[in-house]
Amino acid sequence: AQSVTQPDIHITVSEGASLELRCNYSYGATPYLFWYVQSPGQGLQLLLKYFSGDTLVQGIKGFEAEFKRSQSSFNLRKPSVHWSDAAEYFCVRTSGTYKYIFGTGTRLKVLA
Amino acid sequence: GAVVSQHPSWVICKSGTSVKIECRSLDFQATTMFWYRQFPKQSLMLMATSNEGSKATYEQGVEKDKFLINHASLTLSTLTVTSAHPEDSSFYICSAWTGGSNQPQHFGDGTRLSIL
Repeated sequence: AQSVTQPDIHITVSEGASLELRCNYSYGATPYLFWYVQSPGQGLQLLLKYFSGDTLVQGIKGFEAEFKRSQSSFNLRKPSVHWSDAAEYFCVRTSGTYKYIFGTGTRLKVLA
Repeated sequence: GAVVSQHPSWVICKSGTSVKIECRSLDFQATTMFWYRQFPKQSLMLMATSNEGSKATYEQGVEKDKFLINHASLTLSTLTVTSAHPEDSSFYICSAWTGGSNQPQHFGDGTRLSIL
């Protein structure tokens, strides 16, 4: 079955440091990939999406992600983390159907 | 753009009562709306999919008589938790989708339901 893996359940970084959140998807048809962020007690906000074309995708809040077919990965990056980035991050895929397949999420903690 | 409003954001009620949660797409028309349930520190679990004017499709293991879904218009879907019990306490999130294959789902802010 198609799946999404986020290997890191928790990540802690210092404010101002760079960030990379990992996401791997299972083999299947060309996936549509998304990254969402969820602050405590809130819904999910779309950071960026990949459907086709340029494999480096720019999103909101200074985030970017790179699609690497050879590695089945879609890692999220930010060059300098702000304290307000502390949240839960979900990698999501679809494959031609409307249903989302969620990763288990990565909880980001930012140290002052 | 693409704002989804979910109401109420928090509700506490007694066991045995029914609770209605509304999900509205404010600036776009949603062909499809989704209802999710999220347990603490877990990912989202899809409960059901609703399309305007038709019956909702429920995921396996979700009681359709317990969780009533109505999608009355292209901008409004409601989830009613009937005869709620403490085990129904959870965080419920809706999302709305325009139906395009390259379009993302847009999520509401969720409803925290607590059944006493």
